[in-house]
Amino acid sequence: KAGVTQTPRYLIKTRGQQVTLSCSPISGHRSVSWYQQTPGQGLQFLFEYFSETQRNKGNFPGRFSGRQFSNSRSEMNVSTLELGDSALYLCASSFDTGTGELFFGEGSRLTVL
Amino acid sequence: QKEVEQDPGPLSVPEGAIVSLNCTYSNSAFQYFMWYRQYSRKGPELLMYTYSSGNKEDGRFTAQVDKSSKYISLFIRDSQPSDSATYLCAMSVQGGGFKTIFGAGTRLFVKA
Repeated sequence: KAGVTQTPRYLIKTRGQQVTLSCSPISGHRSVSWYQQTPGQGLQFLFEYFSETQRNKGNFPGRFSGRQFSNSRSEMNVSTLELGDSALYLCASSFDTGTGELFFGEGSRLTVL
Repeated sequence: QKEVEQDPGPLSVPEGAIVSLNCTYSNSAFQYFMWYRQYSRKGPELLMYTYSSGNKEDGRFTAQVDKSSKYISLFIRDSQPSDSATYLCAMSVQGGGFKTIFGAGTRLFVKA
């Protein structure tokens, strides 16, 4: 069974640019969550999508956005990049019932210069 | 104040030691309590899961939840170098899906 796949794994951008990250969840999982991980702040919740609808949202500025497609694949976009956006962006998928266990991808490491 | 507080460490112990990792939280609505383990350059993976207060044991790992004190713990017995990783506590509440909040993670080094 394939795990959560995130692309690209590494990318370098400059301030002011925008970036789009992609996530393919485990087959059958309809919930996709995004997290930002930095050494200082740890794992911070960005947003969660279920059936193409944003269901939960963390405390990030509007520059951070996402969407989910009908096949449950998800993308997140960061516009007008800032140096502080450098981080590991993790996608996690889950069933919507039971324990809600999150299955994580290996992340997309973004460096903003 | 963060909803979930966890000492980032690092914590360094000799092989065979008992390791104690802890988190505190402020939101009494949390229902599910989890520990994730994250190896370098990998995504976190679920290690232990507990619903509400109590203890749960799985091999060398024991998770404890004390909802009255808003305090959770993970104990690792007979620690091994392969246990060297970052351990993240996580808590969630179900209501319109699960919203899971993570602690900062504690970096653990087990020396051979």
